[in-house]
Amino acid sequence: GQQVMQIPQYQHVQEGEDFTTYCNSSTTLSNIQWYKQRPGGHPVFLIQLVKSGEVKKQKRLTFQFGEAKKNSSLHITATQTTDVGTYFCAGPDNYGQNFVFGPGTRLSVLP
Amino acid sequence: SAVISQKPSRDICQRGTSLTIQCQVDSQVTMMFWYRQQPGQSLTLIATANQGSEATYESGFVIDKFPISRPNLTFSTLTVSNMSPEDSSIYLCSVGTGGENTEAFFGQGTRLTVV
Repeated sequence: GQQVMQIPQYQHVQEGEDFTTYCNSSTTLSNIQWYKQRPGGHPVFLIQLVKSGEVKKQKRLTFQFGEAKKNSSLHITATQTTDVGTYFCAGPDNYGQNFVFGPGTRLSVLP
Repeated sequence: SAVISQKPSRDICQRGTSLTIQCQVDSQVTMMFWYRQQPGQSLTLIATANQGSEATYESGFVIDKFPISRPNLTFSTLTVSNMSPEDSSIYLCSVGTGGENTEAFFGQGTRLTVV
């Protein structure tokens, strides 16, 4: 079945360092979404990418969708303690009826 | 957007008992989804709750263990039956399909501990 993988599983950075998480799908995706889950919270939508090679920015966050629409990345510039959490990528399932979530990358930011 | 109210937010239950989790959405939605998230893990889809028909369960989840109700387009319940410590997890309801320009909205989650 369809699989969505993410690396790394964990990342510890010093505040101010950059951070990148990578997402790979076993199948071509019509779109990919990113979510952030703070400790003790629920996943919150960050962004959706639809076009091949698309790049979107949200302040210090840069999201990219691969040319083949099978991979994506999230890059955070100059991390802050407020960036702590788990970042999930998600793609539609084969029927477009629900999401397949990646395993997530847990980010820790040391002050 | 959608606002989802989920309750209870947490509970500690005795093994062998059952817990019903409620999920209320502020707008009508066709499908609602129930996920389980074990500590430090990703979200695993339990089932899709369809209004007016039986829920659709994912592999590894059965109706006898996780009965679901969907009486109308804004409400659903998930029951965790005959609980064991292995059922300790966070349970999340969600709306939103995987199509373009649709995102998933989640309830606040129910943190269940079975002792």
